[in-house]
This record gives sequence, C-alpha cells and structure tokens, in this order.
Amino acid sequence: GDSVTQKQGQVTLSEDDFLFINCTYSTTTYPTLLWYVQYLGQGPQLLLKVTTANNKGISRGFEATYDKGTTSFHLQKASVQESDSAVYFCALVDRSNYQLIWGSGTKLIIKP
Amino acid sequence: GGIITQTPKFLIGQEGQKLTLKCQQNFNHDTMYWYRQDSGKGLRLIYYSITENDLQKGDLSEGYDASREKKSSFSLTVTSAQKNEMAVFLCASSQGGASAETLYFGSGTRLTVL
Repeated sequence: GDSVTQKQGQVTLSEDDFLFINCTYSTTTYPTLLWYVQYLGQGPQLLLKVTTANNKGISRGFEATYDKGTTSFHLQKASVQESDSAVYFCALVDRSNYQLIWGSGTKLIIKP
Repeated sequence: GGIITQTPKFLIGQEGQKLTLKCQQNFNHDTMYWYRQDSGKGLRLIYYSITENDLQKGDLSEGYDASREKKSSFSLTVTSAQKNEMAVFLCASSQGGASAETLYFGSGTRLTVL
C-alpha cells in the first residue's frame, strides 16, 4: 500500500540556518504531497501542497519539490527563525479513499 | 473563516471508564475526522465521517465508538479507557472528495488515564 517515511525525528538549528527535512513516499498512483505544520498546543495546519502538475510548492518562505525519480518530497527554508519551531509532517493523499497517509513528523528546534 | 472547537481540552478518567470527546465545526464541511496523536509520533486515524450519520473506521478504531448526528458535530467515545492510550485526540474537518487534502484541525483533547 501507499506509505510515507520521515526518518528525522528531530532537527536542531540556529536562527538563519538552512532547513532541510527529508520525506520519501511510495505510491502506485500520481501523488499529491503535502506538508503540514503543528505549532505547540495547536492542531496541524496545511503549509503547502505539491502535485505532479506543479512539482513545487512555496509558502511562507518554505519550499518543497517533488522528485519522481527518488520518490522524495523534501521541505526547505533558506533561513529559519525562532517562530518556525514546530513539528512538520509530510503526507500523501490516498486516492482510493481521499484520506491522508501521514509521516511520523519532524520536530524542529531553533536555538536562540 | 471557521473554527473547530473540541471539548474538553483536558480529560482525566479512570482505567475502564467510558469517556466522550466532542467536536464542533462551523465550516459547513461534509467530512469530519478523529485522529490520535501519541507523544512524539504521527497521526493515526480512528474514525471519519463523510456526511451526517455516516461512520467509517480508520486503522485505530478498536476500543472507540463515534457518532455524527449532525453535520456540524462529531463525537468520539473511548469505550473502556486504558493507561496506554493517554494521548492527544485531534478532530478535523474538510470539504471532502478532491478537497480532502486540506484538513482543518482543532487544538485537541489531552486524555490522561489514572
């Protein structure tokens, strides 16, 4: 079946560092790939979406590009701020029932 | 805009107790969801409902019941609370169908079992 893998459980950076969070997926259909962000004490919220039509999503300074060859969907940001501290989830839309398949999340800690 | 309201924010129960969590949305969305989030882990789907009075089981439905009597509300019952299910329970809604990828979440109910 379809699956999503996030191997990085936690990433610790300093302000202005470059962020790279890894996500890989497996599906037999054309993927719709998502990044959600969960701030402390809140539910997750959609950060950006990428489909085979656009190949790249950009939102709030974050960027994600879908690579069919490596079945990867990494999240990047050029310069992180303390306000970016959160848990980031990648997700894949299961086209059999339109439910989301979630990665296990990557906690981003920004050292002041 | 709209909002998802989950009540209570904190729920403390005894092992074996039946506990109910409630969720209201004013987006007028068709589909609603209950997810469980264990500390440091991802989201696991318990139940979802694509319309009033519809219920669909997720991967984690055993030990839970759900009810969708109105379009705007979706409740989850823990049938017999266990200590290993202390977690945050998240309710969400979406327009459904091809728009199902955009979920709107509440802030969660944190369950503690004594």
